[in-house]
Amino acid sequence: GAVVSQHPSWVICKSGTSVKIECRSLDFQATTMFWYRQFPKQSLMLMATSNEGSKATYEQGVEKDKFLINHASLTLSTLTVTSAHPEDSSFYICSARDIAGDQETQYFGPGTRLLVL
Amino acid sequence: QQQVKQSPQSLIVQKGGIPIINCAYENTAFDYFPWYQQFPGKGPALLIAIRPDVSEKKEGRFTISFNKSAKQFSLHIMDSQPGDSATYFCAASMGSNYQLIWGAGTKLIIKP
Repeated sequence: GAVVSQHPSWVICKSGTSVKIECRSLDFQATTMFWYRQFPKQSLMLMATSNEGSKATYEQGVEKDKFLINHASLTLSTLTVTSAHPEDSSFYICSARDIAGDQETQYFGPGTRLLVL
Repeated sequence: QQQVKQSPQSLIVQKGGIPIINCAYENTAFDYFPWYQQFPGKGPALLIAIRPDVSEKKEGRFTISFNKSAKQFSLHIMDSQPGDSATYFCAASMGSNYQLIWGAGTKLIIKP
């Protein structure tokens, strides 16, 4: 149980285009999902907390207009990287909390590798 | 005060050995301490977690030791195998916030 999927698993795009990444909780409902960014050989950096039906809460230094988050249902959150540039290339990972389970536990998706040319 | 300090940065152990990874924290309000395992190109997977009211927790070959007074906790891997080679992260969270504060990670290599 407690499976989180991400789509796509990797994406290559041209500079200036927008990319949407989906995060789904497959067998549980999640009122809260988290979006992280991870650079090679580094720890996870929290970008934003996504709450179903309300606006996302962004961490300091993360541009909300560049990284658009939508959490329209209890099983789906999306991250859109708008007008992507090469510096946005990274590994993006989402996690979700099971509304019916241990509230502290975050289940992570497999990640999406973004390469902006 | 929000930091979680993890050591060592990297660790090489022979198969069958017991790698130990340590984490230290300052904020006494932390009340949940998980360990995650991450393989290259994959998302982190929860291994084991502990709360401050217990000093030790075992799940299979993985054990967390928790020292509340020292504000430290550690992960021990018994009978380590090459398949355990991965990056391990400790983390901490508090109350209803549930945001994880992450350690820097430890790259573990188990030699056959």
